[in-house]
Amino acid sequence: RKEVEQDPGPFNVPEGATVAFNCTYSNSASQSFFWYRQDCRKEPKLLMSVYSSGNEDGRFTAQLNRASQYISLLIRDSKLSDSATYLCVVNPDNAGNNRKLIWGLGTSLAVNP
Amino acid sequence: ETGVTQTPRHLVMGMTNKKSLKCEQHLGHNAMYWYKQSAKKPLELMFVYSLEERVENNSVPSRFSPECPNSSHLFLHLHTLQPEDSALYLCASSQETHPSTEAFFGQGTRLTVV
Repeated sequence: RKEVEQDPGPFNVPEGATVAFNCTYSNSASQSFFWYRQDCRKEPKLLMSVYSSGNEDGRFTAQLNRASQYISLLIRDSKLSDSATYLCVVNPDNAGNNRKLIWGLGTSLAVNP
Repeated sequence: ETGVTQTPRHLVMGMTNKKSLKCEQHLGHNAMYWYKQSAKKPLELMFVYSLEERVENNSVPSRFSPECPNSSHLFLHLHTLQPEDSALYLCASSQETHPSTEAFFGQGTRLTVV
């Protein structure tokens, strides 16, 4: 099993749709989780951290399910500008340094007019 | 001016060439990183520098040689590369190396080895 696994997509949705992505991780001891966004031919940018209690930022909601070892990202009222690749990032052992981050391959989202 | 700047943006080099990638961060961060992003592969961490000291080398071949002369600058020296080294090389910085701190990426250097 891969350490971090994502459905590569692409997810094609119309504007205004609600879309959700999941990301599974293999190490049950993982503590830190993040969603990054990467536009085509651009650099990754942090979208949001994922907390145990879940968190929401505008149209974006991130949740953690420890029992099933996955995190999710929900996007409501999709905009054309949401088209990007969404990267799941996991720190598998919560060591106090960034070098332990494991990156998923990303899920591609295309929002269509 | 962007927080993390990489030059060049594109580079084509032969297998016998020597070239260097440059990264500069204007954010006052203490940690800097080199990542490799290949098609159909996840981001791979190559090197980590914390306060100008290399703290991680993820089994990267010696044909890649990093240099961090100060906390704002990071270089990746390349020599005798192979075609499979063609990829997007991303530099990043963060306030510290703790995973809770956000990493800011440069726009990357797209490297093609011919």
